Amino acid sequence: GQQVMQIPQYQHVQEGEDFTTYCNSSTTLSNIQWYKQRPGGHPVFLIQLVKSGEVKKQKRLTFQFGEAKKNSSLHITATQTTDVGTYFCAGRPLSGTYKYIFGTGTRLKVLA
Amino acid sequence: DTEVTQTPKHLVMGMTNKKSLKCEQHMGHRAMYWYKQKAKKPPELMFVYSYEKLSINESVPSRFSPECPNSSLLNLHLHALQPEDSALYLCASSRIGRGTANTGELFFGEGSRLTVL
Repeated sequence: GQQVMQIPQYQHVQEGEDFTTYCNSSTTLSNIQWYKQRPGGHPVFLIQLVKSGEVKKQKRLTFQFGEAKKNSSLHITATQTTDVGTYFCAGRPLSGTYKYIFGTGTRLKVLA
Repeated sequence: DTEVTQTPKHLVMGMTNKKSLKCEQHMGHRAMYWYKQKAKKPPELMFVYSYEKLSINESVPSRFSPECPNSSLLNLHLHALQPEDSALYLCASSRIGRGTANTGELFFGEGSRLTVL
């Protein structure tokens, strides 16, 4: 079946260091969303990417959607302790109107 | 805070019990979802309702029975569950738009944490 993998699974960084998580789909996606889930919390929407090669920025966060629409990345510059949590990508297959397949997630810990 | 409200927040039930999880949103979203999330795992889609009709059932066992009484409410009826069904059950909603990105962001509730004994 369709799979969406993320690497790394875990990442520990010192506060102020950069962080990147990569998302790879086994099939071409219509669009991709990114979510953050704090420990004990629920997923919260960060951004949606639709176009091939699209790049979007939100303050210290930079999101990219690959040219083939099968991969994506999230880069955080100068991490802060508030960035702690699990970051999930969620891809919508070309054939799936309402179906978002969540990636395996990357758990980020930021050491002060 | 979230605009999707789930009750109860915690539920402990035996394998012979019947219980229900409830979800409510007043954002006018016409797509509603049930996801199941085990510890340290991603959310897994269970059901999707669009315009109050079941659109997707991800081969979920019949001991889980969804219901969408109206455009604001979504229920998940539970019967004869197994201990491995213990998980966080997340409800979400989204708008239904037009075009290739025809669903917007998913708004998640805080979840119902279910323990089956």
